[in-house]
Amino acid sequence: KQEVTQIPAALSVPEGENLVLNCSFTDSAIYNLQWFRQDPGKGLTSLLLIQSSQREQTSGRLNASLDKSSGRSTLYIAASQPGDSATYLCAVRGVDTGNQFYFGTGTSLTVIP
Amino acid sequence: DAMVIQNPRYQVTQFGKPVTLSCSQTLNHNVMYWYQQKSSQAPKLLFHYYDKDFNNEADTPDNFQSRRPNTSFCFLDIRSPGLGDAAMYLCATSRGGSSYNEQFFGPGTRLTVL
Repeated sequence: KQEVTQIPAALSVPEGENLVLNCSFTDSAIYNLQWFRQDPGKGLTSLLLIQSSQREQTSGRLNASLDKSSGRSTLYIAASQPGDSATYLCAVRGVDTGNQFYFGTGTSLTVIP
Repeated sequence: DAMVIQNPRYQVTQFGKPVTLSCSQTLNHNVMYWYQQKSSQAPKLLFHYYDKDFNNEADTPDNFQSRRPNTSFCFLDIRSPGLGDAAMYLCATSRGGSSYNEQFFGPGTRLTVL
């Protein structure tokens, strides 16, 4: 069964810093990997989706990379802002698991003004 | 805007009193998912529908049931809620059936069990 890990569990940075969030998964046979943002008490907002054939995706200040062979993805946030404070989750969809997505436990990010 | 809608946003029920949570979507997606999320934990998949095909996770308690009467709507029924069922319940959709399979989530329903 696919296992997804996110390290660190929590991260606190001063405003303006560039930062990297990590996601690792145990089975490299994936269709895609998706990064989400979750604000307290809210649903999940999709940030970026990377197909297994892609190396990276960019949206504004966000850049997600995928190294399928090593089972890793990173989410790079440039010039962090207090509004970026949230929990960031990654989820993978495996080739052998149909339409199921497997989630990591998330990284709780605090950007200090 | 196409979206995933969940009602109610907050639900309070009594121990053992059945409750139904609702999800609707305007995306016309084939797959609808129900997740349970407890504080500081990852969303846990309860079950999902691909069209009318129901897929139950092996560790989903029998207390949880689901119905999908049509493409747009999906319901989560908790037959006899216990204190341990207090959580955020998230509904999500995806197109399904292809490698490009982005998930879209609703705002969630926060369930409190008294």
